[in-house]
Amino acid sequence: EPEVTQTPSHQVTQMGQEVILRCVPISNHLYFYWYRQILGQKVEFLVSFYNNEISEKSEIFDDQFSVERPDGSNFTLKIRSTKLEDSAMYFCASSDEGQGYEQYFGPGTRLTVT
Amino acid sequence: RKEVEQDPGPFNVPEGATVAFNCTYSNSASQSFFWYRQDCRKEPKLLMSVYSSGNEDGRFTAQLNRASQYISLLIRDSKLSDSATYLCVVNAEPGGSYIPTFGRGTSLIVHP
Repeated sequence: EPEVTQTPSHQVTQMGQEVILRCVPISNHLYFYWYRQILGQKVEFLVSFYNNEISEKSEIFDDQFSVERPDGSNFTLKIRSTKLEDSAMYFCASSDEGQGYEQYFGPGTRLTVT
Repeated sequence: RKEVEQDPGPFNVPEGATVAFNCTYSNSASQSFFWYRQDCRKEPKLLMSVYSSGNEDGRFTAQLNRASQYISLLIRDSKLSDSATYLCVVNAEPGGSYIPTFGRGTSLIVHP
């Protein structure tokens, strides 16, 4: 069964450093998403991406964040200068337009900012 | 503020019990609805979409009430493996794309 993959599974970084989180969506999917989940809190939408551009973004997704699809398979989330409050689980998801936007999530990257 | 509300629980039920969760949403423009389950420290996994006419998948039944703006999930014959947090997800469609909003989840504990 096809699945979304994410690397790394755990990233530890110092405050102020840049991090890039990587995702490989399901190959025939057209829409890609990033979410974050702070420990003990709800899953929060960050951004959606379609046809090589951002479709929607939340107020969380400020200028410190950017997304990119550098090739035909990878989808990345960059945090330019990490803050302590960026510590969270980051989930990538993808969906096929034909499936009514049912989204399939990757296993997540746990980001710890120290 | 557009919100999705769920009773956090936990719902503590014996094996074989029937349990139901509700989820209310405030955005009347919401277009599509889903239930996900999330195990501790894992990713959300799609459980089922929720259709206007209601839908069933094995022991799971989902219903939508647009007039009262809530969706429900019914689990029959609960199994130990059903223990998880159940997330309600509601999509609105501003600007031609979907913005998914998650509820905080309802915790279910099924005990022997």
